Amino acid sequence: DIQMTQSPSSLSASVGDRVTITCQASHDITNYLNWYQQKPGKAPKLLIYDASNLETGVPSRFSGSGSGTDFIFTISSLQPEDIATYYCQQYDNLPLTFGGGTKVEIK
Amino acid sequence: QVQLQQSGPGLVKPSQTLSLTCAISGDSVSSNSSAWNWIRQSPSRGLEWLGRTYYRSKYRSKWYNDYAISVKSRITINPDTSKNQFSLQLNSVTPEDTAVYYCAREGSSSSSHFDYWGQGTLVTVSS
Repeated sequence: DIQMTQSPSSLSASVGDRVTITCQASHDITNYLNWYQQKPGKAPKLLIYDASNLETGVPSRFSGSGSGTDFIFTISSLQPEDIATYYCQQYDNLPLTFGGGTKVEIK
Repeated sequence: QVQLQQSGPGLVKPSQTLSLTCAISGDSVSSNSSAWNWIRQSPSRGLEWLGRTYYRSKYRSKWYNDYAISVKSRITINPDTSKNQFSLQLNSVTPEDTAVYYCAREGSSSSSHFDYWGQGTLVTVSS
């Protein structure tokens, strides 16, 4: 199985701050990586697919980059509604696997 | 707009079978470009992909299934074309199978991502 390691596991930032989350894959997954946002009691929501493509309707303050084994997810200016847990997910190989999540809180 | 509506019991006894259904609107379970997945989430295991079913007619029209090795001996995911839905059956459950279960569409023929999700069902395994 491909292991996905996210860091940090949690972070606290102020409104307007730039927030960065990293995701490392245990094997080269080219750009077969997606990012999701999950709010409490809700299903995950797709934000970024294929490492850097913004899903339709998702605000442009969200972005993704990277390839191979190292990926970055960025919120350019943190907003109160961005409080959530964020997950990366690879689809290079079965089983499809997720990172452990990064919980984003407001300072 | 695609919508997925889950149904099924929230409490299952140990050693019995967990059964959930996911009704699809706005797409077809027989779509050649979608796959229909079950994913679960628990504090101990995080988000865990369980398996999927999908139909492809490019070379030979047939249904395919992929399952996670961790549950492969216990899981069945079946499409129901007459009701445009798909189901999850997980046999011989233990308390470790307690989780929120989600169905999700894996859309796009050129990529793979979960773009639509069901509302989630908390399933507790307890006597």
